[in-house]
Amino acid sequence: ETGVTQTPRHLVMGMTNKKSLKCEQHLGHNAMYWYKQSAKKPLELMFVYSLEERVENNSVPSRFSPECPNSSHLFLHLHTLQPEDSALYLCASSQDRDRGQGNAFFGQGTRLTVV
Amino acid sequence: GQQVMQIPQYQHVQEGEDFTTYCNSSTTLSNIQWYKQRPGGHPVFLIQLVKSGEVKKQKRLTFQFGEAKKNSSLHITATQTTDVGTYFCAGPPNTGNQFYFGTGTSLTVIP
Repeated sequence: ETGVTQTPRHLVMGMTNKKSLKCEQHLGHNAMYWYKQSAKKPLELMFVYSLEERVENNSVPSRFSPECPNSSHLFLHLHTLQPEDSALYLCASSQDRDRGQGNAFFGQGTRLTVV
Repeated sequence: GQQVMQIPQYQHVQEGEDFTTYCNSSTTLSNIQWYKQRPGGHPVFLIQLVKSGEVKKQKRLTFQFGEAKKNSSLHITATQTTDVGTYFCAGPPNTGNQFYFGTGTSLTVIP
């Protein structure tokens, strides 16, 4: 159904663990995004990558570290998280906005629980 | 930063009733997009409006973009249980790669 694949779908981690979320898009897009969706809160834009270069970092704590090795892959490295970081993490991709194209295609998300 | 607000936050309707959600931006938008997220799902793109005052229809859904390109609405006629979900507007600024999403309206349809 979706050209954007996220793994894992569910993750439970302790506050001292280190884990990574993976996102892969098969749509030929050149912009990728990480969003955080908490209960009863709007979608929060975390990071934006365009042509593998980070173009936006919305005051996200350093315990979240993104990596974009190429235009098809996006990672979110997690370490020493807090329980309030528990949320649905959504990856999305789009064609380059600066050319006025495209809408966001979302992956199915990773449901993260920090214990 | 850019803020996109939606009202209402929640709406419960009887099946067959109409539903409207409103989206308001603090800045002028190059275009407005609408997404639907089913319970337990991920946001899925519905439509994009670009021109000032533009109106588009998808079956029972009518989308409108304000003349000043700072607000938009989604109207559903004769709701069905399949319309259940959260509806988000998203307003990219004139430049850049950001998609800033509205606060969303959660629609419940009572059979």
